[in-house]
Amino acid sequence: QVQLQESGPGLVKPSQTLSLTCTVSGGSISSGSYYWSWIRQPAGKGLEWIGRIYTSGSTNYNPSLKSRVTISVDTSKNQFSLKLSSVTAADTAVYYCASSSGWYADYWGQGTLVTVSS
Amino acid sequence: EIVLTQSPATLSLSPGERATLSCRASQSVSSYLAWYQQKPGQAPRLLIYDASNRATGIPARFSGSGSGTDFTLTISSLEPEDFAVYYCQQRSNWPSWTFGQGTKVEIK
Repeated sequence: QVQLQESGPGLVKPSQTLSLTCTVSGGSISSGSYYWSWIRQPAGKGLEWIGRIYTSGSTNYNPSLKSRVTISVDTSKNQFSLKLSSVTAADTAVYYCASSSGWYADYWGQGTLVTVSS
Repeated sequence: EIVLTQSPATLSLSPGERATLSCRASQSVSSYLAWYQQKPGQAPRLLIYDASNRATGIPARFSGSGSGTDFTLTISSLEPEDFAVYYCQQRSNWPSWTFGQGTKVEIK
């Protein structure tokens, strides 16, 4: 069973870039059987899909965030990463990474809280 | 963008009772809808995919139905561990995913 763990700074200043990493264990991130996603959840609110990356390196992004988001993969470390630029307080949320073997998010990391504040 | 509207926002029930949760899509999503369960401080867990298929390890008391724009998640007899927030999610307008705003099932 795939396991995922998010890591990165818990506090980011406004206008800066949020950077998070998801480390995958229990499976290879290079496996063609999976793709890898980022999803976020502001406190007390619902879930918002940010984007995904395939083993080929191709990506899909939420149109509302597309201009600010980059998702990349490091196969040597079995990790994938999220960068979100020009952050504001509205980007404060718990950020989850997830894996998919089908059309939905099968396994999720525990989530990491990122607060945008000066 | 396809908008998913869940109702009710909160459902107050007792253990052993039947729970019926609704998810309505702003346009047809065929059967491309999933349900997730989220407990406080935890990540969501996939329960149902493609409207009516239980994910691996999900108990039979959870069932999903519907197609087009109207979907239902039913918990036949609530166990104490079932009190949580439930989200629906569509994959019809791939590659985008959108989620509903959630229904909280609380102990009455």
